[in-house]
Amino acid sequence: EDKVVQSPLSLVVHEGDTVTLNCSYEVTNFRSLLWYKQEKKAPTFLFMLTSSGIEKKSGRLSSILDKKELFSILNITATQTGDSAIYLCAVESGGAGSYQLTFGKGTKLSVIP
Amino acid sequence: EAGVAQSPRYKIIEKRQSVAFWCNPISGHATLYWYQQILGQGPKLLIQFQNNGVVDDSQLPKDRFSAERLKGVDSTLKIQPAKLEDSAVYLCASSIGYGVWDTEAFFGQGTRLTVV
Repeated sequence: EDKVVQSPLSLVVHEGDTVTLNCSYEVTNFRSLLWYKQEKKAPTFLFMLTSSGIEKKSGRLSSILDKKELFSILNITATQTGDSAIYLCAVESGGAGSYQLTFGKGTKLSVIP
Repeated sequence: EAGVAQSPRYKIIEKRQSVAFWCNPISGHATLYWYQQILGQGPKLLIQFQNNGVVDDSQLPKDRFSAERLKGVDSTLKIQPAKLEDSAVYLCASSIGYGVWDTEAFFGQGTRLTVV
């Protein structure tokens, strides 16, 4: 059974801190790993990672995938109160004619002034 | 704990055909969401149910999409007739919370639809 584990489950930091969120996975026929920010009715897409070792950046957020060790990290630098949300990691998997998207439980990030 | 169940996992249909997706949320979760996720984008909310009532269907293309949650538990999402641009992953999620998304939502494994 495919599995995605995120850690920590929750995190409280002060504005300006840097945080690292972790996502490890065990899936059959890996396709991609996705990060989302969940705060309103629909998660906001952050990154899609398919290749090892290539960092993706968007402003203060960055992410990297390690397909050998089966994990990804999401970094947020100079955190702001608006970064407070649940961050979800999901892994797409499946061979020809099959598909599965497995979500982790999320990391709840609280950024306090 | 049983999670959100969706079926089928994968479907290929020709344009103008019909298709239906099924979702069984986590027991006791009053709120159920259907999303459409196109490759490389975030999920777009299609419809939100609270028990068996519709809370938000503002982004549901009602000329071809329909959804129901008759007994406030399972839900089905139908597309009739399908278009090429409907190719996407359809996600179902459920949460205990009512109204605003302020509680944790649990996602199903998705159904990947390919329209050819």
